[in-house]
Amino acid sequence: AQSVTQLDSQVPVFEEAPVELRCNYSSSVSVYLFWYVQYPNQGLQLLLKYLSGSTLVKGINGFEAEFNKSQTSFHLRKPSVHISDTAEYFCAVSEFGGTSYGKLTFGQGTILTVHP
Amino acid sequence: EAGVTQFPSHSVIEKGQTVTLRCDPISGHDNLYWYRRVMGKEIKFLLHFVKESKQDESGMPNNRFLAERTGGTYSTLKVQPAELEDSGVYFCASSQLGPGELFFGSGTQLSVL
Repeated sequence: AQSVTQLDSQVPVFEEAPVELRCNYSSSVSVYLFWYVQYPNQGLQLLLKYLSGSTLVKGINGFEAEFNKSQTSFHLRKPSVHISDTAEYFCAVSEFGGTSYGKLTFGQGTILTVHP
Repeated sequence: EAGVTQFPSHSVIEKGQTVTLRCDPISGHDNLYWYRRVMGKEIKFLLHFVKESKQDESGMPNNRFLAERTGGTYSTLKVQPAELEDSGVYFCASSQLGPGELFFGSGTQLSVL
């Protein structure tokens, strides 16, 4: 079984400031790691994923995340945020090599609010 | 290309009534998933279809929930009878291949009064 903890439920930042959304996970097996974003009145959209290889993963809209196996973390970063980045962000994992790739375990979500 | 479509977007029913949620996945996607988010909690997996077969229904809360996927196309999730604790947002997602490549619908907000 896996669990995911997003350490901040809400993160307010000013426009053009850097941001980091924190995610830690726990699992007895290897996992795939994901960040999804949900804009108001929309479905979840994949931001980026880590499957294997380089631990630094780049996604859409200028976001990136780094997989740290020793700390079981997968923090999401963006060097300069925009008003349009205001949304709820979800960290998720699924079991590596499992038969159900899409069986995701989600964190509680982090609401990012970007102020002008 | 049309995305994942869910109907209705909102549903308000009374305790004891029946509600049916519908999901139309992206055409050609064999995998279809249902998830639920109860207010204030994390999004939780309910079940997974591969074409018309249930691959994994380990997340279904109880036997008041019935999911079907006719002909491997659209899917329905029926709650009968609905209870107060069933309130939440029900998401459907579909995928073709690859780990975690899910495309989500906008969800159905279910309120049981």
